[in-house]
Amino acid sequence: GAVVSQHPSRVICKSGTSVKIECRSLDFQATTMFWYRQFPKQSLMLMATSNEGSKATYEQGVEKDKFLINHASLTLSTLTVTSAHPEDSSFYICSARVRLAGASTDTQYFGPGTRLTVL
Amino acid sequence: KNEVEQSPQNLTAQEGEFITINCSYSVGISALHWLQQHPGGGIVSLFMLSSGKKKHGRLIATINIQEKHSSLHITASHPRDSAVYICAPGWWGKLQFGAGTQVVVTP
Repeated sequence: GAVVSQHPSRVICKSGTSVKIECRSLDFQATTMFWYRQFPKQSLMLMATSNEGSKATYEQGVEKDKFLINHASLTLSTLTVTSAHPEDSSFYICSARVRLAGASTDTQYFGPGTRLTVL
Repeated sequence: KNEVEQSPQNLTAQEGEFITINCSYSVGISALHWLQQHPGGGIVSLFMLSSGKKKHGRLIATINIQEKHSSLHITASHPRDSAVYICAPGWWGKLQFGAGTQVVVTP
């Protein structure tokens, strides 16, 4: 079954509004979560890395004030796109670094993604 | 020069055929992921491997760290296997993503 879920799977919003995307590690603690973005016909690009209880580390070129990341618990990270504009329309994917029960090493699992359309 | 090269870019197979997708990379890695992306965009984690071989159902992934090469095999392919398969080597989170291989399996 899925290890990482995202909600919502699709969202359409008006320009200027804020949108929150949730990423949950199901039944497992995620020490680190990663947020990626994928524009049409392009590869995934890492936006930021977040560790529970600390500030996210953003990749070069990603505006931290526009893409707010909160990682308040070991199973939940949220990405809020503030004052969204049409150019923010994209596919947003999270992944989590988890330690599965009985495993000796961590594994990284990807969420199914959230398609954001800003009108 | 791309740090991750996948081949082929596109592949069409008939149901039941054996499929192989190759991935060569030049980056240093802690692990390599194989992902499946469906037409609607949804991503599924298939494998994360750092050595040897893993098998899950009809899917087999292998990696040769010395040669910096990985392969994904689909045995007894089925139309529901039609998707884009993405190779992503790298370090935790900081992965380099291949351009993907579009696989179409016809009945």
